[in-house]
Amino acid sequence: KQEVTQIPAALSVPEGENLVLNCSFTDSAIYNLQWFRQDPGKGLTSLLLIQSSQREQTSGRLNASLDKSSGRSTLYIAASQPGDSATYLCAATDTGRRALTFGSGTRLQVQP
Amino acid sequence: EAQVTQNPRYLITVTGKKLTVTCSQNMNHEYMSWYRQDPGLGLRQIYYSMNVEVTDKGDVPEGYKVSRKEKRNFPLILESPSPNQTSLYFCASSGGQVYGYTFGSGTRLTVV
Repeated sequence: KQEVTQIPAALSVPEGENLVLNCSFTDSAIYNLQWFRQDPGKGLTSLLLIQSSQREQTSGRLNASLDKSSGRSTLYIAASQPGDSATYLCAATDTGRRALTFGSGTRLQVQP
Repeated sequence: EAQVTQNPRYLITVTGKKLTVTCSQNMNHEYMSWYRQDPGLGLRQIYYSMNVEVTDKGDVPEGYKVSRKEKRNFPLILESPSPNQTSLYFCASSGGQVYGYTFGSGTRLTVV
């Protein structure tokens, strides 16, 4: 059964720093991997999706990479802003029933 | 606007009183699913549907029912809710490997 782990669980950085969030998964037979953002008590907003055949995706200040062979994905946030404060979740989609297996998230706080 | 709409956003009910949480998507997605989110347990899949009239259990299906009579709608039914079903529920739909998942805003259910 797929297991997804995210490190660190929490992160506090000053505004302007570049940062990396880590995600690891145990089963490399994934359909795709998706990064989400969740604000407290709110829904999930999709940030980036990497198909299983891709190595990375970029959107604005965000860059996500995927290394299936090592079971790892990273989310790079450049020039962090207080508005980036949220919980970031990575989720691997399996190839069978297309279920998302979520990590427990990284709670990010960007200090002004 | 492409979206997944859940209703209601908040619901307080009593044990044993049947309820339905509605979910509708306007993206013509074939795949839809329900998740619940609990502190310390993260997001877990309840049920999913690959297409009209095709549904199957996820990781935590006990106490829930679903139906998929139309492509756009995927209601979640709790026929006899219990306090351990108090949770934050999310409906999601997927456009496939390229587009990933879109989530609804969530339904916070409290069963007393």
